[in-house]
Amino acid sequence: EVQLVESGGGLVQPGGSLRLSCAASGFSFSSYSMTWVRQAPGEGLEWVANINPDGSEKHYVDSVKGRFTISRDNAKNSLYLQMSGLRAEDTAVYYCATGRQAAGWGQGTLVTVSS
Amino acid sequence: DVVVTQSPLSLPVTLGQPASISCRSSQSLVYSDGNTYLSWFHQRPGHSPRRLIYEVSNRDSGVPDRFSGSGSGTDFTLTISRVEADDIGVYYCMQGTHWPPFTFGPGTKVDIK
Repeated sequence: EVQLVESGGGLVQPGGSLRLSCAASGFSFSSYSMTWVRQAPGEGLEWVANINPDGSEKHYVDSVKGRFTISRDNAKNSLYLQMSGLRAEDTAVYYCATGRQAAGWGQGTLVTVSS
Repeated sequence: DVVVTQSPLSLPVTLGQPASISCRSSQSLVYSDGNTYLSWFHQRPGHSPRRLIYEVSNRDSGVPDRFSGSGSGTDFTLTISRVEADDIGVYYCMQGTHWPPFTFGPGTKVDIK
């Protein structure tokens, strides 16, 4: 069974940094692209970033380019999202998902950017 | 970026009756490999999204056969043949053909009349 467990969310001040993690199990992590999707409170879904299986290709939504970095450690079956220069509009639940087409989802981790 | 729209945005349904949601994209979603990367997701209140349908009409494992997807090009439909109480929540379509970015529709909220 595919399991994805996000962690690392919390309250951070504007301009601050946070690193999200996603621990994967139940599938061959190193064979799959991985994706981050976020959902602001009461809003819809927004694709944030994805990374190919070996980590050599990364793509981002324009609003986070230059501020967020997606990475992975296949030896640890883990996906990461390093976020810096955080803004109030980055406040959201962040989900990791399997594959480019988001087949499986974790439970999400809440990031709140506020002073 | 490809714009994805859905209609209606709110759908009151009657248990046991059919329901349909429309999804439209600003460009054809046929990819160069011949596949069409249009997915449907369901999010129950307080839960993570769950993918129901991928590549227009393929049900994910464990998805009841009362859910079906259809369409082509720029126009797609999710149909629930007989609505059950567990089907309430928000439904999103997502295009995965022209990326980055992948783009979601605004969501359709389904609740019981």
